Amino acid sequence: AQSVTQLGSHVSVSEGALVLLRCNYSSSVPPYLFWYVQYPNQGLQLLLKYTSAATLVKGINGFEAEFKKSETSFHLTKPSAHMSDAAEYFCAVHNDYKLSFGAGTTVTVRA
Amino acid sequence: EAGVAQSPRYKIIEKRQSVAFWCNPISGHATLYWYQQILGQGPKLLIQFQNNGVVDDSQLPKDRFSAERLKGVDSTLKIQPAKLEDSAVYLCASSPRLAAAGDTQYFGPGTRLTVL
Repeated sequence: AQSVTQLGSHVSVSEGALVLLRCNYSSSVPPYLFWYVQYPNQGLQLLLKYTSAATLVKGINGFEAEFKKSETSFHLTKPSAHMSDAAEYFCAVHNDYKLSFGAGTTVTVRA
Repeated sequence: EAGVAQSPRYKIIEKRQSVAFWCNPISGHATLYWYQQILGQGPKLLIQFQNNGVVDDSQLPKDRFSAERLKGVDSTLKIQPAKLEDSAVYLCASSPRLAAAGDTQYFGPGTRLTVL
C-alpha cells in the first residue's frame, strides 16, 4: 500500500523566511500526491496536486512542490512566509481510490 | 458553487449515548467520503460511497458506526453507542467522478465530537 511520511510535526519560521515542509512517499507505481492545508476549526483545503503532468507544481497562496522520483519526495515550499500561512499542512497519496494522509506539520509564523 | 455542508459543527455527548452527523456534498459529485481526524493526526478514511453504494468501509468500526447515503446525495454517519476514543473531528468530503484516481476531494468544515 502507498503511504506518505511527513518529517517534522512542527515548523516555526519568521515572517518573510522560506517555508519548507517535507513529505516522502512510498509507492510501487507513479503516485498521485496532494498537499492540503487546514486552518483552525476548518476543513481541509487543497493547496496543490501532482498528477504526473509536470514535476514542479504550483498551487494557491504562493506555494509550490516538486516531485522527485529519485528521492521519493514531494516537498512543499513557499519563498516568503506570511502570518496567514500559520496552519496545519497535510501531505497525502492517492491509494486504491482513497487518500492516505500523513500525520501533518503545524506551521507557526513569528513576527 | 456551494461547498460541502456539514452539521452540527460541534457536539458534546456522554459515553454510551448516540450521535448522528449529516453531510451534503457538492451538487453533482458522485463520490462521498467520511473521515475521522483524531487530534494531532491526519484524517483516516472511515467509509467511501459512490452514488449510494459503499465502495470501501474497511476502516469503519461496524459494531458501533453506521453510515448511509440515500438517493446518492446527502449522507448520515451515526455512532451508537459512543466511546471516549470516538472524540475527534468527523470530516465529510466529495469528489466529482466515480473511482477516478487523482480526483480532488473537497472537504466540509467538519463536526467536532467530544465524548465525556
